Amino acid sequence: AQTVTQSQPEMSVQEAETVTLSCTYDTSESNYYLFWYKQPPSRQMILVIRQEAYKQQNATENRFSVNFQKAAKSFSLKISDSQLGDTAMYFCALSAAQKLVFGQGTRLTINP
Amino acid sequence: DTGVSQNPRHKITKRGQNVTFRCDPISEHNRLYWYRQTLGQGPEFLTYFQNEAQLEKSRLLSDRFSAERPKGSFSTLEIQRTEQGDSAMYLCASTNTGMGTGELFFGEGSRLTVL
Repeated sequence: AQTVTQSQPEMSVQEAETVTLSCTYDTSESNYYLFWYKQPPSRQMILVIRQEAYKQQNATENRFSVNFQKAAKSFSLKISDSQLGDTAMYFCALSAAQKLVFGQGTRLTINP
Repeated sequence: DTGVSQNPRHKITKRGQNVTFRCDPISEHNRLYWYRQTLGQGPEFLTYFQNEAQLEKSRLLSDRFSAERPKGSFSTLEIQRTEQGDSAMYLCASTNTGMGTGELFFGEGSRLTVL
């Protein structure tokens, strides 16, 4: 079975600070993708960043980057220069067996 | 280019009533998913379609739940004899398997409240 675990239910940082969200996963698949999705309050879930498991290089998207440790099955998200608009639920997800499996989420609040 | 559309956005019903949600995926997407999300939790997989074929159903999908995608375009999710435990956000997502990444594009969800 595929599982995704996010151990930080809530985090809060000041605007412009850097914050790292943690995620661990388990899968028996050799080829898979990992994702971070953002769900703002009362709005739809959108993709933040994607990582192919076969790529050693960590993905980056502007202020968002990941630290992918395949052997440790760890996939953390770093948000640099955080902005008020980054306030949202963040979900780590694993693509396996034709569907996405999500973690429990981390509620991130950016304070002015 | 329109995204995934879900209707209704909110539904309040009494226990025992039937409800139906509709999802219109992105037009070129051949795969459609339904997820359920309860407050403060991550989405849980319910079922998915490849074109009009329903390929997998979760154990979460009791026999009171039925989903269809009759022409491989829009999909409906019906819940019969609703129970208070059915209260949740029902999310629809779609993708094109040609992308090869497994990335899903989500709608805004249909929130169900069962009184």
